[in-house]
Amino acid sequence: EAQVTQNPRYLITVTGKKLTVTCSQNMNHEYMSWYRQDPGLGLRQIYYSMNVEVTDKGDVPEGYKVSRKEKRNFPLILESPSPNQTSLYFCASYRPGGTEAFFGQGTRLTVV
Amino acid sequence: AQSVTQPDIHITVSEGASLELRCNYSYGATPYLFWYVQSPGQGLQLLLKYFSGDTLVQGIKGFEAEFKRSQSSFNLRKPSVHWSDAAEYFCAVGAPSGGFKTIFGAGTRLFVKA
Repeated sequence: EAQVTQNPRYLITVTGKKLTVTCSQNMNHEYMSWYRQDPGLGLRQIYYSMNVEVTDKGDVPEGYKVSRKEKRNFPLILESPSPNQTSLYFCASYRPGGTEAFFGQGTRLTVV
Repeated sequence: AQSVTQPDIHITVSEGASLELRCNYSYGATPYLFWYVQSPGQGLQLLLKYFSGDTLVQGIKGFEAEFKRSQSSFNLRKPSVHWSDAAEYFCAVGAPSGGFKTIFGAGTRLFVKA
């Protein structure tokens, strides 16, 4: 079954404590992306990757890092989380050409 | 600047009634257009997409959308709403040259009255 898997689904952490949200896809897609979803703002792109070792900033990259060492994995790293990063995060994997996106189930992050 | 506007934050319809969710976009050319649905606690699922050709596109779950170039709109419709359609709906645009740079609207939450 085609899947995008994020872990964890829920996370509560304290300000400044580094964390990583993992994302894995089994569709051999080259394009992957991270979004955050906030009420009234829809989804905003944080980072995207066109292929292994190729990443670029989206619209709201501040405070985030990503890596793409393998095609299937695209982890999101918060080196020093702050309360304004409390949000619902989605990883997406795209069909060739960057058209239709397949989304993970989301990670709800709370930073206190 | 590229943008997507969904004018209605939330809409309430009665079960069995028709539905139209509005979407307007601002883009330099004709983009790829999408509608996604997000059920509570779930990720987004693609309902339908428009790339080119027939401006009326059919999607899953009985939804359809019509692309109107002159109005820069891509409204989503369903003739008869079911209670299970209650969810949040997102319109999105993507660049034909690189659709992974997808821009989403703020979403419209649909409530269905029994």
